[in-house]
Amino acid sequence: EAAVTQSPRNKVAVTGGKVTLSCNQTNNHNNMYWYRQDTGHGLRLIHYSYGAGSTEKGDIPDGYKASRPSQENFSLILELATPSQTSVYFCASGLGGSSYEQYFGPGTRLTVL
Amino acid sequence: QQKVQQSPESLIVPEGAMTSLNCTFSDSASQYFAWYRQHSGKAPKALMSIFSNGEKEEGRFTIHLNKASLHFSLHIRDSQPSDSALYLCAVASSGSWQLIFGSGTQLTVMP
Repeated sequence: EAAVTQSPRNKVAVTGGKVTLSCNQTNNHNNMYWYRQDTGHGLRLIHYSYGAGSTEKGDIPDGYKASRPSQENFSLILELATPSQTSVYFCASGLGGSSYEQYFGPGTRLTVL
Repeated sequence: QQKVQQSPESLIVPEGAMTSLNCTFSDSASQYFAWYRQHSGKAPKALMSIFSNGEKEEGRFTIHLNKASLHFSLHIRDSQPSDSALYLCAVASSGSWQLIFGSGTQLTVMP
């Protein structure tokens, strides 16, 4: 089974501060995704990547940047964190090709005060 | 922009009951339809998926797809307390690996 890990698992940040959420996958999947999950909204796509060096905007990219320096790693960066970005963030990976299934990490709970 | 909606928002059923969850989508060219299950405090995990019209059964779980009606569903036979979770439907449009998720149905199975 695909292994996706996230760090940190919990983070408290101050408004205006910079936050970096990290994701690592060990199954050589081409595709990686960042979502946020809020009550009543399901999972909303922030950024995604189809390979090292590439990042694309998802449905709610404002206030977020992403970086994919290698096949295994995908980071989400909040340059100026705001309280509205308080949420649970999930990273996921997927093989691509004819496979659509996504494998999720355990999530990061971010609180911006 | 694909719209995916789930119903009901929440559902409480007794142990042993048949449970039915619904999902509608807006893009008739969608090609992948899936249900993910998320236990409290855990990561979402793929449960079942289907690509073409009809139904697919895996154990106590059955997925139905009707593309013409822009609707698919998940049926759980003999529901168990361990089935209590948030169920998320997901759809991929043609030519895209992006999944659009519904807002979820919170299922509680009472012993």
